[in-house]
Amino acid sequence: QQPVQSPQAVILREGEDAVINCSSSKALYSVHWYRQKHGEAPVFLMILLKGGEQKGHDKISASFNEKKQQSSLYLTASQLSYSGTYFCGTPIKAAGNKLTFGGGTRVLVKP
Amino acid sequence: EAQVTQNPRYLITVTGKKLTVTCSQNMNHEYMSWYRQDPGLGLRQIYYSMNVEVTDKGDVPEGYKVSRKEKRNFPLILESPSPNQTSLYFCASSLSTGGNQPQHFGDGTRLSIL
Repeated sequence: QQPVQSPQAVILREGEDAVINCSSSKALYSVHWYRQKHGEAPVFLMILLKGGEQKGHDKISASFNEKKQQSSLYLTASQLSYSGTYFCGTPIKAAGNKLTFGGGTRVLVKP
Repeated sequence: EAQVTQNPRYLITVTGKKLTVTCSQNMNHEYMSWYRQDPGLGLRQIYYSMNVEVTDKGDVPEGYKVSRKEKRNFPLILESPSPNQTSLYFCASSLSTGGNQPQHFGDGTRLSIL
């Protein structure tokens, strides 16, 4: 079952903040976040391994609420380089821990 | 440099002509997988491999084959390509099968089947 991301797209001005949500109908035990710039491969940002965990990568951080089966990615004081499509990925234990990705959130940061 | 290498990067071919997309990683990773990416559908897994000679279907395996004879290589085979297999394909690898390992992606292969 594919995790659901929201919003599907967001437009920001440089310096503004945004939140991307990822939720699953199945129990989560970890959440991956990746960013893909246009025409490039997805690049790993971070993994959250347990409920309540928060991590940061530059000014991009994420939280993981295991009970609510969701994770959020926070883009703080966004920069032009933050533009791209963000994917969350959730492993499925019953299927060899294969990673299933959400549909993606397109982020455009304007000057 | 640690990397996942896919070839070719671009390919235009015709329906029914067998093709192979190669994928190789130099990180000694156990886990490898293939994804296809289509507009509005995100990344969908085609096949994955947990180790040499161990492969399994992902979410969209129809029309594809894979093999894992060596740890570093995981080719994707389209025996009889059809236009609905026109897509952007990514190979990825990770250290192990656990959900706590980041996936490293190749640069992608854009296939057009006419």
